[in-house]
Amino acid sequence: NFMLTQPHSVSESPGETITISCTRSSGSIASNYVQWFQQRPGSAPTTVIYEDNQRLSGVPHRFSGSIDSSSNSASLTISGLKTEDEADYYCQSYDSGNLRVFGGGTKLTVL
Amino acid sequence: EVQLVESGGGLVKPGGSLRLSCAASGFTFGSYSMDWVRQAPGKGLEWVSSISSGSSYINYADPVRGRFTISRDNAKNSLYLQMKSLRAEDTAVYFCAREYSGYGDIDYWGQGTLVTVSS
Repeated sequence: NFMLTQPHSVSESPGETITISCTRSSGSIASNYVQWFQQRPGSAPTTVIYEDNQRLSGVPHRFSGSIDSSSNSASLTISGLKTEDEADYYCQSYDSGNLRVFGGGTKLTVL
Repeated sequence: EVQLVESGGGLVKPGGSLRLSCAASGFTFGSYSMDWVRQAPGKGLEWVSSISSGSSYINYADPVRGRFTISRDNAKNSLYLQMKSLRAEDTAVYFCAREYSGYGDIDYWGQGTLVTVSS
């Protein structure tokens, strides 16, 4: 099995751009799709990005996903930050043993 | 509109059992793999189990293997999680989730149901 490591917290000002990383501990990040989920306090998670870079219907174009094989990591980039983007963000991928793996989550503060 | 509605959560004593259900609508349920994911109070998301569209492939996370059983009834558009030998550490909100292509790519989530294991 592998682990997905995310920064514990990030912060940025409204209108700015932020990138949240998700680093895979072993095996290639490109081997299996990466998803990104947003979870606001007291709410269920919602998917913002699936299959590395596909936005779910209704997700603003301010959200984008990518993978970087050189750093073996995936990234979620949010541009034009809004206060409503303040939430926990989780990355998730798939293990060749048919297991699903979640990152530990990143708390985004928009201040 | 894809909808996933969980039910069956509640308070149960250690060692007890509980069965969770997830009612699906708005899509062809029998064509998609499904997952259960849980979140302990104040903690992150933890994958619990997955089942393929035709129930041929079933997987469990190590902490629940041998105690939890995932199943589905495609005729009833329903997903289930039978939980036995419950422990305090199983206390969490349990979410059901749909996978887009069956390779771990979760796209839709339910609202969750709370399971509390306490004496």
